[in-house]
Amino acid sequence: KQEVTQIPAALSVPEGENLVLNCSFTDSAIYNLQWFRQDPGKGLTSLLLIQSSQREQTSGRLNASLDKSSGRSTLYIAASQPGDSATYLCAVQGSARQLTFGSGTQLTVLP
Amino acid sequence: GAGVSQSPSNKVTEKGKDVELRCDPISGHTALYWYRQSLGQGLEFLIYFQGNSAPDKSGLPSDRFSAERTGGSVSTLTIQRTQQEDSAVYLCASSPPSGSDEQYFGPGTRLTVT
Repeated sequence: KQEVTQIPAALSVPEGENLVLNCSFTDSAIYNLQWFRQDPGKGLTSLLLIQSSQREQTSGRLNASLDKSSGRSTLYIAASQPGDSATYLCAVQGSARQLTFGSGTQLTVLP
Repeated sequence: GAGVSQSPSNKVTEKGKDVELRCDPISGHTALYWYRQSLGQGLEFLIYFQGNSAPDKSGLPSDRFSAERTGGSVSTLTIQRTQQEDSAVYLCASSPPSGSDEQYFGPGTRLTVT
């Protein structure tokens, strides 16, 4: 059974810092990995999707990497802003098509 | 274009009552998923529809839960004889028929069972 772990559970940084969120998964037979953002009381917003054949994806200040063989992904956020404050979720999709989620990292960016 | 929509946004019901939650996927998306997000359990998969194929019901927690998808579009998740442990946010997602399998989520329905 696939298990997804996210470290740290919570992170607080001053505005302008670069930061890294970590995600690990136990079964490397994945189709893709998605990073989501969730604001309090809201649904999930997709940030980046990395296919299993890819090593990284970039969107603006966000960069996600994938090392499938070691079961790891990182989300790098450059020059953090208070508006980046949210919970960040990592999820992997396997052959069964549904997503298996980590428990998230709650990020607070202090002005 | 329009995203995934869900209704109602909030539902309060008494223990033992039945509830229906609705999901309208993005037009043209053939795959539809239901997930549940509850305190202490995180986000967990419930059921998956793909086109006209039989749904994958492997995540449904009990036989009180069922879902249908009419005409390959709108889906309804039904919970019979609700229990307090059913209180959670129910999220729906859809993905397109080909390409990346990226899942797009709706805003969710917050269910509270009193």
